Amino acid sequence: GQQLNQSPQSMFIQEGEDVSMNCTSSSIFNTWLWYKQDPGEGPVLLIALYKAGELTSNGRLTAQFGITRKDSFLNISASIPSDVGIYFCAGQSNDYKLSFGAGTTVTVRA
Amino acid sequence: DTEVTQTPKHLVMGMTNKKSLKCEQHMGHRAMYWYKQKAKKPPELMFVYSYEKLSINESVPSRFSPECPNSSLLNLHLHALQPEDSALYLCASSQGLNNEQFFGPGTRLTVL
Repeated sequence: GQQLNQSPQSMFIQEGEDVSMNCTSSSIFNTWLWYKQDPGEGPVLLIALYKAGELTSNGRLTAQFGITRKDSFLNISASIPSDVGIYFCAGQSNDYKLSFGAGTTVTVRA
Repeated sequence: DTEVTQTPKHLVMGMTNKKSLKCEQHMGHRAMYWYKQKAKKPPELMFVYSYEKLSINESVPSRFSPECPNSSLLNLHLHALQPEDSALYLCASSQGLNNEQFFGPGTRLTVL
């Protein structure tokens, strides 16, 4: 699949800060997925979005499926040290193929 | 059981060795996948199985040979690999081909 435009590429967080990242695509998708991957582990599904305009929360995480079906964002509120890792967005159409973003690396600011 | 498991966690092999990676899920998912992931890159799809039959081979070299013995198990047989094949190999499963995919923890493969 195509690679999506995910930004920022990396960010530094301080505990308690809110964090935002987004993905855009030239194609429309039926599903947007957000995964988090810790070093040496597999991606863990955080949030799945199925309808344009949908806003979904999972604890401190909030994600939205853009109204044009070509974009999505993920917000993390009140970040904690275990939020560090790589976050990937993925778009899915009507089949098996996931189109991934390049990832956003979240690191704790020293 | 809501997880995908993979064994081994780590594998080191020589270029002449034959080894196998194993993946298991007990969520009743009918689609299973193999991905390859290089450091700091997103996963790249290798193979797709649907109802235990190979649906998609993303032009993967024949030194990688997938097998689906039953609806819960997926294997990846490795033979005559190259050092550039060193990567994290991820298994995933989904209810059907157009449902969200759940990944296993991966096997870190090093080819010497």
